[in-house]
Amino acid sequence: QVQLVESGGGVVQPGRSLRLSCAASGLTFSNYGMHWVRQAPGKGLEWVAVISYDGSHKFYADSVKGRFTVSRDNSKNTLYLQMNSLRVEDTAVYYCAKDPGRPSNSSVPLSWGQGTLVTVSS
Amino acid sequence: NFMLTQPHSVSESPGKTVTISCTRSSGSIASTYVQWYQQRPGSSPTTVIYENNRRPSGVPDRFSGSIDSSSNSASLTISGLKTEDEADYYCHSYQSTTVVFGGGTKLTVL
Repeated sequence: QVQLVESGGGVVQPGRSLRLSCAASGLTFSNYGMHWVRQAPGKGLEWVAVISYDGSHKFYADSVKGRFTVSRDNSKNTLYLQMNSLRVEDTAVYYCAKDPGRPSNSSVPLSWGQGTLVTVSS
Repeated sequence: NFMLTQPHSVSESPGKTVTISCTRSSGSIASTYVQWYQQRPGSSPTTVIYENNRRPSGVPDRFSGSIDSSSNSASLTISGLKTEDEADYYCHSYQSTTVVFGGGTKLTVL
């Protein structure tokens, strides 16, 4: 049973930093690309970032490019999202999600975690 | 960049069939895969359809996905509606490094 557990959320002031983690279990983590997706309170889903199975490819939404960094440690089965220069509009629940993995040739969110809430407020 | 447009809300009775549309604003809907996510109130999203028409294990075959190049849109069809299907549904697609979610459709089963 695949399990993805996010942590690291909390209340932070604008301009400060926060690092989210996503611990994976029940799968061979290094076989899957991983996504971060967020959802502001009462709003829809917004894709944030994706990282390939080996960490060699990373892509970001324009809204976070240059401020957020996605990374992974396959030896620890953990995905990270380093968030710098946080803004009020970054307030959201942040979800991690794994892609289908091989033999699929797509990297789309498939299995989701329960999310962690980040609140950016002074 | 492109957008995915969904109806804000749909409603139907238990046992009936409902279809939710997702129209792509530019570029071909068939050029990349479309996914559909279900989100019940207070819960995280779950995938009901991925790669246009594939169902993850555990998703009943009442859920089906399709694409229509003539209207440049994708559709999620839910047959034999149950009250537990009441949720928000989001379509999703991508092009190169652009990833887009639709705005979501609230399905009411009444």
